[in-house]
Amino acid sequence: AQSVTQPDIHITVSEGASLELRCNYSYGATPYLFWYVQSPGQGLQLLLKYFSGDTLVQGIKGFEAEFKRSQSSFNLRKPSVHWSDAAEYFCAVVPRSNDYKLSFGAGTTVTVRA
Amino acid sequence: NAGVTQTPKFQVLKTGQSMTLQCAQDMNHNSMYWYRQDPGMGLRLIYYSASEGTTDKGEVPNGYNVSRLNKREFSLRLESAAPSQTSVYFCASSEYGRQPQHFGDGTRLSIL
Repeated sequence: AQSVTQPDIHITVSEGASLELRCNYSYGATPYLFWYVQSPGQGLQLLLKYFSGDTLVQGIKGFEAEFKRSQSSFNLRKPSVHWSDAAEYFCAVVPRSNDYKLSFGAGTTVTVRA
Repeated sequence: NAGVTQTPKFQVLKTGQSMTLQCAQDMNHNSMYWYRQDPGMGLRLIYYSASEGTTDKGEVPNGYNVSRLNKREFSLRLESAAPSQTSVYFCASSEYGRQPQHFGDGTRLSIL
């Protein structure tokens, strides 16, 4: 069955430290891949996306993600987190055959400590 | 610069009542979406509208109906609300054939 998994429910990181959020997918063919961020009480904002080409993708707010076909992964990274990065992060995938039906992972909540 | 506007922001219903959630976007996007968000489950697609005049079922359409009133507006209706429909509902929009790019701030719906 097709699925997208975020193994970490909650991550706590110190301000200024690096952050990596994991995302794994299970699809027959490589889907389109996305990361969204949701601040408390708000809707989602698209951070970055991967369709094809360079496997290291740059996004907004200083985030980047790396697509690894061999591991079926699309992990999100930030070299130095800021307190404002505290939020919930969602990985999402959509099959290339139907690019309307986006499927989301369960999300990872990031807490930033001073 | 409103983007995607959802109304109401909060609503409490009794089981069996009906309710329509409104969504409007001002970005001239063709595609619009309705999602529900439940703890530990991410967002799940209820219905989407690829373009004005078309609607299609998503992952969890049962108990819901939608109307794409015009290019700007996409409403979600609960005909007979059930406690299992307690959730946060998000509307989103995007350019035609693209994934949701802009989300509203959500409608928090409780059904007693």
